[in-house]
Amino acid sequence: GQNIDQPTEMTATEGAIVQINCTYQTSGFNGLFWYQQHAGEAPTFLSYNVLDGLEEKGRFSSFLSRSKGYSYLLLKELQMKDSASYLCAVWDSNYQLIWGAGTKLIIKP
Amino acid sequence: DAGITQSPRHKVTETGTPVTLRCHQTENHRYMYWYRQDPGHGLRLIHYSYGVKDTDKGEVSDGYSVSRSKTEDFLLTLESATSSQTSVYFCASGQGSDTGELFFGEGSRLTVL
Repeated sequence: GQNIDQPTEMTATEGAIVQINCTYQTSGFNGLFWYQQHAGEAPTFLSYNVLDGLEEKGRFSSFLSRSKGYSYLLLKELQMKDSASYLCAVWDSNYQLIWGAGTKLIIKP
Repeated sequence: DAGITQSPRHKVTETGTPVTLRCHQTENHRYMYWYRQDPGHGLRLIHYSYGVKDTDKGEVSDGYSVSRSKTEDFLLTLESATSSQTSVYFCASGQGSDTGELFFGEGSRLTVL
């Protein structure tokens, strides 16, 4: 079966750095996405990785290791507005998007 | 932001009644999707469309049907709603696998009593 694992919930402090991990076992791989979803709102696109390595975009970075079936999202200089759920999703070999259950990130002052 | 809207945003209905949710996009995206989101689960694909009149089932399609008569509109129908279909429904659209990114509607919260 296809599976994506993420921690259910994480807590971090404002101004700090947090890393949210995602591991996947899918039928093939054509790319990995991270989305942000604030409570009661729609998911919004954060990043896309198709090759190994780190992609940096402002305070957010996303890393991929295809050989390990592993990705992480790194958030720096945390702000209260970063409190949200972070969803990991993988395009499988049929270009079906497989979603993780999401990681709820709680930021404390 | 992609122009994608859903209606209704909230609906309460009774078991056994038909329900139709509408998704409208103004980006001329080829692909459109209907997902449901429930606590403890990731987004689960109900049905998707890869063109006008071209649709296919997702992982949780039982009890749902869809139609796409125009590029911009994708309808989700629950022929006879059940309490297990109480959920938040999200529509999404995108150009396809080469660009990957999906744009989501605001969601429709459906309660079946």
